[in-house]
Amino acid sequence: SSELTQPPSVSVSPGQTARITCSGDALPNQYAYWYQQKPGQAPVVVIYKDNERPSGIPERFSGSSSGTTVTLTISGVQAEDEADYYCQSADSSATFRVFGGGTKLTVL
Amino acid sequence: EVQLVESGGDLIQPGGSLRLSCAGSGFTVSSTFMSWVRQAPGKGLEWVSLMHTGGGTYYADSVKGRFTISRDNSKNTLYLQMNSLRAEDTAVYYCARDRMGATGFDYWGQGTLVTVSS
Repeated sequence: SSELTQPPSVSVSPGQTARITCSGDALPNQYAYWYQQKPGQAPVVVIYKDNERPSGIPERFSGSSSGTTVTLTISGVQAEDEADYYCQSADSSATFRVFGGGTKLTVL
Repeated sequence: EVQLVESGGDLIQPGGSLRLSCAGSGFTVSSTFMSWVRQAPGKGLEWVSLMHTGGGTYYADSVKGRFTISRDNSKNTLYLQMNSLRAEDTAVYYCARDRMGATGFDYWGQGTLVTVSS
C-alpha cells in the first residue's frame, strides 16, 4: 500500500494564501484528490484529478502537482475555509485507495 | 439528485458482528465503484473497502478477513458486513461513490456511528 504525508496544521490570516502539501511515492502516477471536512459533516471534494475544480467550489481553491508532491492552494482565504483538508489517491496499482493524515487549516 | 443514506450503526461488544447499509438514490449503485471510508473519533479518514462494478472487492489490511462488502442491485444498496469487531473499529462509517480517475469520492452519505465497547 502507499502512504500520503500532510502537515498536521497550517495557519493563515484572512485574505492570505494557504498552501497545503501532500507527498507520496505513487503521486507521479496516480491522480490526487482533495477533500474539505468541517466538524460534524461529511467530506466534500474540492479538487479532483490533481487540479480540476468541481462546480460550486470557489475559484480560490486550486491544485497543482510536481513529482511526488501535490499542493492545495487557497487564495484569499476566508473564515469559512477553516476546516480539515485531506488529500487522497490510490496505490501504484490503482486498486487501493489511500488518504493523507489530514491538515487542520486555521484562519487566524 | 444523488443521495446516499447509511444505517446500521450501533453499540456492539468486542468480537461481535454488525451489518451496515448504504441506500443509493438518483443513480445506480451497481453501475459505479463504491467505497466505505471510516473516521475514528477525532482522527482522520481511513479507506476501508471498495466494490467494483464487476463485483470485485478490495479491503484495507486493517479489516481484511473480517469485513465483507456486498451489494443488492434490486435494492440499490451497498452493505458492509463487519465481523470480529475490535475497539479500534469504533468510527463513523461513510459510504461514498468512488469515481477515482474522474471526480473522486464525489458523493458521501451522512455517516453511521459504530461503537465497539464492552
